[in-house]
Amino acid sequence: QPVLTQSSSASASLGSSVRLTCTLSSGHSTYMIGWHQQQPGKAPRYLMKVEGSGSYDKGSGVPDRFSGSSSGADRYLTISNLQSEDEADYYCETWDSNVRVFGGGTRLTVL
Amino acid sequence: EVQLVESGGDLVQPGGSLRLSCEASGFTFRSYWMSWVRQAPGRGLEWVATINQDGSEISYVDSVKGRLTISRDNARDSLYLQMSSLRAEDTAEYYCAREASGYGSSWLFDYWGRGTLLTVSS
Repeated sequence: QPVLTQSSSASASLGSSVRLTCTLSSGHSTYMIGWHQQQPGKAPRYLMKVEGSGSYDKGSGVPDRFSGSSSGADRYLTISNLQSEDEADYYCETWDSNVRVFGGGTRLTVL
Repeated sequence: EVQLVESGGDLVQPGGSLRLSCEASGFTFRSYWMSWVRQAPGRGLEWVATINQDGSEISYVDSVKGRLTISRDNARDSLYLQMSSLRAEDTAEYYCAREASGYGSSWLFDYWGRGTLLTVSS
C-alpha cells in the first residue's frame, strides 16, 4: 500500500506564500491525493484533489488562494497571500484498493 | 448542504463496548461509500474502516479487526461503528467521512463530520 510523507512543520509570514509537499512512496508515484486542512480544535476540511498530471480540483468554498500541483511523486499545496486563519495542520490522503492512507501532517505556522 | 453529525462518544472502561452513530443529510446517502477516521489526542489522522453503498464491501485497519464493526442503515441515512474489547489506545476523536465514491475518479474523503470523543480509561 502507498505511504505518504510530509514534513512535520512549516512556517511563513503573513501575506506571503508557502508550498507544502506530500511525497508518495516508490511504485505509487502516479496516485491522486487529497489535501485536508484542520484548524486548531476543529474537524478536518477537504481542500482539493491533486492528480499526477498536476491538475487539481478544489472543494466547495475553498478560497482562490489555495492551489495544487505535482512533480513526479511529489504533490503540492500552495497557499498564497497567507492569512492568520491558514495556521493549521494539513494532511494529505490517498487510497489503494480497500485501504485509505494519510500522511503524518504538516503544522503550518503563520508568522 | 452536506452534513454529517456523529454521536455516541463517551467514557468507557477498558474491555467495554460502545456504538458510535453518524447521521447524514443533504445528499443521497445510499449512493456513497462512507468511512470512520480517528484522531488520538495530539496525533494525526488514522483511517479506521470503510463501507460501500450496500454494505457488501467492508475494510478495516489491522489494529481494529475483530473488535470494531462498521455498518450502515440506508433507510435511516446513518452510519455506525460498533466497538468492543476497547483499549486505552482506542481513545480518540472519531470522525465520520464521506468518500467521493468514484465520482471524478476519486475515492478521497470529501466531507467530514465534527467528531465524537471516545475515552477509554478506568
